[in-house]
Amino acid sequence: AQSVTQLDSHVSVSEGTPVLLRCNYSSSYSPSLFWYVQHPNKGLQLLLKYTSAATLVKGINGFEAEFKKSETSFHLTKPSAHMSDAAEYFCVVSLNQAGTALIFGKGTTLSVSS
Amino acid sequence: GAGVSQTPSNKVTEKGKYVELRCDPISGHTALYWYRQSLGQGPEFLIYFQGTGAADDSGLPNDRFFAVRPEGSVSTLKIQRTERGDSAVYLCASSTGLAGVEEQFFGPGTRLTVL
Repeated sequence: AQSVTQLDSHVSVSEGTPVLLRCNYSSSYSPSLFWYVQHPNKGLQLLLKYTSAATLVKGINGFEAEFKKSETSFHLTKPSAHMSDAAEYFCVVSLNQAGTALIFGKGTTLSVSS
Repeated sequence: GAGVSQTPSNKVTEKGKYVELRCDPISGHTALYWYRQSLGQGPEFLIYFQGTGAADDSGLPNDRFFAVRPEGSVSTLKIQRTERGDSAVYLCASSTGLAGVEEQFFGPGTRLTVL
């Protein structure tokens, strides 16, 4: 069965410092994995996706994630946080190989202080 | 271009009533999805349409929930005999429906409150 666990419900960083949002997944086959971001009063937006190509995936706004099969992890990182990065982040695994049904984690709230 | 739109943005109803939530996908997108997001949780998959047909309705919680997409564009999520536990934000998403795992574009959601 497919599932995803976000290890931190809340992460706080200072502007200009690195961001690490942790995600572990469980999948009975080679998964498709995503990170989505949700800013207040805005719709969910795709940051990046992994679909069994390169294990290091680059996304929008300087974010990237690395697929590590041995650790069943797909952590999201950014070298330097910006105030505009404050939002809710969701790690997502596809329920099926077609990617037509997504399972979302519970989310990690990222706070960025000046 | 226009994104996914959902109406109404907010709906308050009383327990036992019937509600309809509408989704307008991005023009030309053949795939449409409904999700439900409860407070403090991630979105939960409900149903997926490819064209006019429901290709996967495994996420619908019970037979009070039903969705249609009669012309392959606009979709309506229908909830009968609403319960307080149905209170949530209902999200709609669409994608091109072409082969491969692709990005789903989400609407702003409809916040349903059942009193």
